[in-house]
Formats: sequence, structure tokens, C-alpha cells
Amino acid sequence: AQSVTQLDSQVPVFEEAPVELRCNYSSSVSVYLFWYVQYPNQGLQLLLKYLSGSTLVKGINGFEAEFNKSQTSFHLRKPSVHISDTAEYFCAVSEGGNEKLTFGTGTRLTIIP
Amino acid sequence: EAGVTQFPSHSVIEKGQTVTLRCDPISGHDNLYWYRRVMGKEIKFLLHFVKESKQDESGMPNNRFLAERTGGTYSTLKVQPAELEDSGVYFCASSPPGTAYNSPLHFGNGTRLTVT
Repeated sequence: AQSVTQLDSQVPVFEEAPVELRCNYSSSVSVYLFWYVQYPNQGLQLLLKYLSGSTLVKGINGFEAEFNKSQTSFHLRKPSVHISDTAEYFCAVSEGGNEKLTFGTGTRLTIIP
Repeated sequence: EAGVTQFPSHSVIEKGQTVTLRCDPISGHDNLYWYRRVMGKEIKFLLHFVKESKQDESGMPNNRFLAERTGGTYSTLKVQPAELEDSGVYFCASSPPGTAYNSPLHFGNGTRLTVT
């Protein structure tokens, strides 16, 4: 069965500093990978997704993620964060052909002014 | 377009009572999903409707949970009788016809259920 691990439950970062949110997954078959963001008092929004092709995926709000099959990772990065990036970030995986998403436990990103 | 809406936003009930959560998907979205997040844990899949049919209900915890989607429009999730471990945030999401991979899931703001 597939699973997703987000080791960091909370990440504090100074404004304009870079950030990396880690995500590792396990699956016995090919997977599709997603990052979702939940801003305070809102629902989840899709940041980016990897289905196939280039392993470097660019998403909204300046975020990007790199799929590493050998490391079974899909870490999320942003070179310079803003106060508005304060939110909880969820990594998710779907095994090919299955529309059900398996989420990680989330990483709460706090931006320090 | 209006987004996915969920009612109520918060619900506090006593153990043993019944609660019904409602989700109105985006118009025209055949796919409707229910997910749940227990405090501090991962968001877990509950079930997936395609129009009015249950495509996958493998995540439903037990028979105290009943989901319906009459006429393929809005959906309800009833918990009867509620137990303490049912507390959490229940999310609804929808997507257009076809696979969700090419069409992102649109999530509602969730219903926070507290069972005391």
C-alpha cells in the first residue's frame, strides 16, 4: 500500500529566505505526486503535480518540486518566501489508475518577519 | 464560479447523537470525494462518487457512516451514532468528468466536527 511521510510537522523560516519541505513516499507501482496548500480558514488548493515527463515541476506562487524516483522523494522548494506563504502544506500520492489520494500529515510553514 | 461549499462549518455534538454533513460541489463536477483529517494526522480518503454512484468507498471507517449523493448533485455524510473518535475535519472535494489527474481537486473549507 502507498504511504506518504512528511517528517517536518513545523518549519519556521525567515522572510525572503529559501525553504524546502520534505516529502517521501512508498509505493510498489508508478505514482502521481501532488502538493496541496491550505491557507488559514480555507480549503486545500493544488500547488503543483507530477504525472510524467520532466522531474522538475513548477507550480503556483513560485513553488517548485523535484521528483526523485531513486530517493522516492518529492520535496517542495521556494527560493524566497513571503509572509503570504504562511500555510499548511500537504504532499499526496496516487498510484497509477487510482483516483484516491493518500496524504501526508502536513507541514506547517511559518514565516518570520 | 462558486466553489465547493460545505455545511455546517462547525458542529459540536454529544456521543451517541447523529450529525449530517452536506457538500455542494461545483456545478458540472461529476466526481465528488469525502476526506477526513483527525487532529494532527494525515488527511484520509473516505469515498468517491461519480455522479450518484459510489465508485470507491474503501475508506469508510464503519457502518456508522452513510454517504449519499441524490441525483448526482449535492452529497451528505451522516454519522449515526457519533463516537468520540469521529471528531475531526471533514473535507469534500469535486472535479470535472474524467480523471482527477488532469483536473485538480477543488476542496471545500471543511466541516469541523467535535464529538464530546
